Amino acid sequence: SAVISQKPSRDICQRGTSLTIQCQVDSQVTMMFWYRQQPGQSLTLIATANQGSEATYESGFVIDKFPISRPNLTFSTLTVSNMSPEDSSIYLCSVDTMGTEAFFGQGTRLTVV
Amino acid sequence: GENVEQHPSTLSVQEGDSAVIKCTYSDSASNYFPWYKQELGKRPQLIIDIRSNVGEKKDQRIAVTLNKTAKHFSLHITETQPEDSAVYFCAAANQAGTALIFGKGTTLSVSS
Repeated sequence: SAVISQKPSRDICQRGTSLTIQCQVDSQVTMMFWYRQQPGQSLTLIATANQGSEATYESGFVIDKFPISRPNLTFSTLTVSNMSPEDSSIYLCSVDTMGTEAFFGQGTRLTVV
Repeated sequence: GENVEQHPSTLSVQEGDSAVIKCTYSDSASNYFPWYKQELGKRPQLIIDIRSNVGEKKDQRIAVTLNKTAKHFSLHITETQPEDSAVYFCAAANQAGTALIFGKGTTLSVSS
């Protein structure tokens, strides 16, 4: 199983600012995924982060708003840019082990005021 | 792309009863179907999964069934206990290395 460390675990941010969330995995993985979970809602895929290439974004999510880095096979960051209260959510990173269980970080609970 | 529908959105049962949650998927290429349990304030945790080459899988009080022809799969919890109360998500993925697409979740409440 993969152990994923995500930080910060929570933050309260002012609107208009940006927050970068870090995700560290204890083993090398090809794919890392970023999800958003709005209050009381399901997990929505933001993007897939591949090492050495641009992230692939899902419909409704754009790179300018959610830039992603993937500098190596164990680390990724997601930035939430120019935040508004609507960005208040839990952000989760995830990895899979090529077709088996997907493991999640503990999540970052973001509140924008 | 894949779309996963999940029903019901809420489910209330008495302790000891069975609970069934159903999901349908749209992409016939999907071949991996996990179920996650999420307790309040915690990350989703895998409770059981099934692959498209299997019709049913059981783990103690939890079972999952898959009907590939109808493109639906179900979670069955028997002898429910109050600690089973949580939000349950089904998901689907269509090949190794792709992200999971989640259903909207079912809030299960087990009263004693």
